[in-house]
Amino acid sequence: AQSVTQLGSHVSVSEGALVLLRCNYSSSVPPYLFWYVQYPNQGLQLLLKYTSAATLVKGINGFEAEFKKSETSFHLTKPSAHMSDAAEYFCAVSEMNQAGTALIFGKGTTLSVSS
Amino acid sequence: GAVVSQHPSRVICKSGTSVKIECRSLDFQATTMFWYRQFPKKSLMLMATSNEGSKATYEQGVEKDKFLINHASLTLSTLTVTSAHPEDSSFYICSARVIGTGAGGYTFGSGTRLTVV
Repeated sequence: AQSVTQLGSHVSVSEGALVLLRCNYSSSVPPYLFWYVQYPNQGLQLLLKYTSAATLVKGINGFEAEFKKSETSFHLTKPSAHMSDAAEYFCAVSEMNQAGTALIFGKGTTLSVSS
Repeated sequence: GAVVSQHPSRVICKSGTSVKIECRSLDFQATTMFWYRQFPKKSLMLMATSNEGSKATYEQGVEKDKFLINHASLTLSTLTVTSAHPEDSSFYICSARVIGTGAGGYTFGSGTRLTVV
C-alpha cells in the first residue's frame, strides 16, 4: 500500500523566512504526489501535484516541491513566508484500490507564521 | 473548473438521529466519489469509495451500516450517518475524480462539520 509520512506535525517560521515542509513517500510504483492546504473548517485546496513529468513542480501562492526518487521525498518549499500561509498542509499519494484511485493523506503539518 | 458542492456545511443533531450529507458535482460527471473523515488536528481518513450505480467499497474498520453511501447518479453522492452518536462528531469531506485529467485530477467539497449532541 502507498503511504506518505510528513515529518514534523508543527512548523513555525517568521514572516519572510523560508518554508520547508517535509514529505516522504512509500510506493512500489512511480507515484503521483500532491500537496494540499486546508484552512480552518474548509475543504482542501490543491497547491501542486507531481504526475511523473518535471521533477520540480511549481504551484500556487509561490510554493514549489521537488520529487526526489533517490530520497523518496517530495518536500514543499516557499522562499518567503506570508502570514496568510498559516494553515494545515497535507501531502498525499494516489493509490489504486478495487473501486478506484483514491488519495491517501499524510498526518498533516501545521504551519505557523509569526510577524 | 470542476466543482463539488457539499451540503450542509454544518449540522448539529441529537444522538440517535440520522444525518444526510450531499455532494453534487456541478459541472462534470463524478463517476467516482470518495468520502473522508477528519478528526480534529488529524489527517483525512478515507472511509469509502463509491462508483455511480454500484455499492460503495468501504475501508477496513468503517461501519458500512452506520455510514450509508449512495451514488445513484453521476452528479450526486450522499453519505448518511445513521443513529448518530457523539463519537461520530467529525468533519466529513467528499472528493471526486475529474475524468480527463489523468490521475492528477481531484476536486474536494468544502466539508461538513457534524456535531452530535
